[in-house]
Order: sequence, then structure tokens, then C-alpha cells
Amino acid sequence: TQLLEQSPQFLSIQEGENLTVYCNSSSVFSSLQWYRQEPGEGPVLLVTVVTGGEVKKLKRLTFQFGDARKDSSLHITAAQPGDTGLYLCIVSGGGADGLTFGKGTHLIIQP
Amino acid sequence: DAGVIQSPRHEVTEMGQEVTLRCKPISGHNSLFWYRQTMMRGLELLIYFNNNVPIDDSGMPEDRFSAKMPNASFSTLKIQPSEPRDSAVYFCASSFQGIIYEQYFGPGTRLTVT
Repeated sequence: TQLLEQSPQFLSIQEGENLTVYCNSSSVFSSLQWYRQEPGEGPVLLVTVVTGGEVKKLKRLTFQFGDARKDSSLHITAAQPGDTGLYLCIVSGGGADGLTFGKGTHLIIQP
Repeated sequence: DAGVIQSPRHEVTEMGQEVTLRCKPISGHNSLFWYRQTMMRGLELLIYFNNNVPIDDSGMPEDRFSAKMPNASFSTLKIQPSEPRDSAVYFCASSFQGIIYEQYFGPGTRLTVT
């Protein structure tokens, strides 16, 4: 059974600061996705990665993926209150029956 | 384009009553997922369908829960009888079946069982 750990569980910072959250798997994954969930809404897909060592950027968000395909990080530059939400990572071992979910990082950006 | 549609958005019911949650996936998607989310347990996959066929229901907590997908555009999750511990937000998500399951989530149904 693949285990997935996200850290930190909770993070509260001031607007304008930088932050990094992590997603670590006990096993190699085929693909990894980061989602953001705002209060009262469903998770929204931010990015998908399948290649070890890959770096993807989405405006102020930078996603890095470990060479060994067992871990990932999400770095936010100059955080804004609109970045507030639950950040979830979901990994797949190669099929929907291999989907594994982290418990997420609850991020609060204070103005 | 319409996203995943769920109804109702909120449901309050008494213990012992039957609850039916509904989901309309994105047109063209052939995989559908039902999730439950609570603060304590996070997001849990209950069941998923490929091409209207249930593939894995190992996440369904017990026999009180059942899910159906009679056609490609509609699915239901039923709880009978409901219990207070079933209180949670239930999400439906759909995707196009493949190696990478990029899921599109609905807005969720917040269920409260008193």
C-alpha cells in the first residue's frame, strides 16, 4: 500500500511571504497531481506531472518533482490571500485503483 | 462548458432516513469517482466507475452505502439507513480514463445527519 504524506498540515503566513509545501510518497508513482480546494468548493486541478526531475510553473506557483518520482514540492512566491485553501496531492501507481491521497496542507494567507 | 454537477448542495436529514446524492459528470468523460471528505479523515475514495461499470468499491464503508451509474451521464450514491457518522461532504469527480486520471470535481454535497 502506497503511503502519502503532506507537510506541513497547517500553515499560516502573511501576505507577500514565500512558502513551500511537500508531498512525499513511500513508493514510486506514475503520475502526481496537485489540487487546490477553496472553502465550500471541490478540489481544482493545478498541475499533473509524470516525469522525474520536472519543474513546472503556474504564475507564482512552482512545482518540483523528485528525480526518483517519490516526492514533490509546491513553492508559492509572494503569497496572496487568494492562495488560501487546502492543497492536496494525489498520486497514481498506474491506474485508478492505485490512487493515493494526502490529507493536504491547510494554507492561510493573512492580509 | 458545464462542469460536474451535483445535487443537492446541502442535505439535512434525520438518522435512519434514506439519502440519495446525485451526480452528472462532464460529457465525454468515462470515469466517475465518489469521495467523502471530513476534517478527521481527509478525502476518501468510496467507489469509482469506468464506462458505467463499478471497478473498485472497496472504499464503501458498509452495506448501507450503494452507488449506481445507469448511464454515462448520471450516477447516484445512496445511504440507507443514514447515521450521524455519515455526516460529511460528498464529492463526485469525473475524468477521461487513461494512464493519468486528471479529475474534475463537482462542488460537493454537504450532508448532515442528525
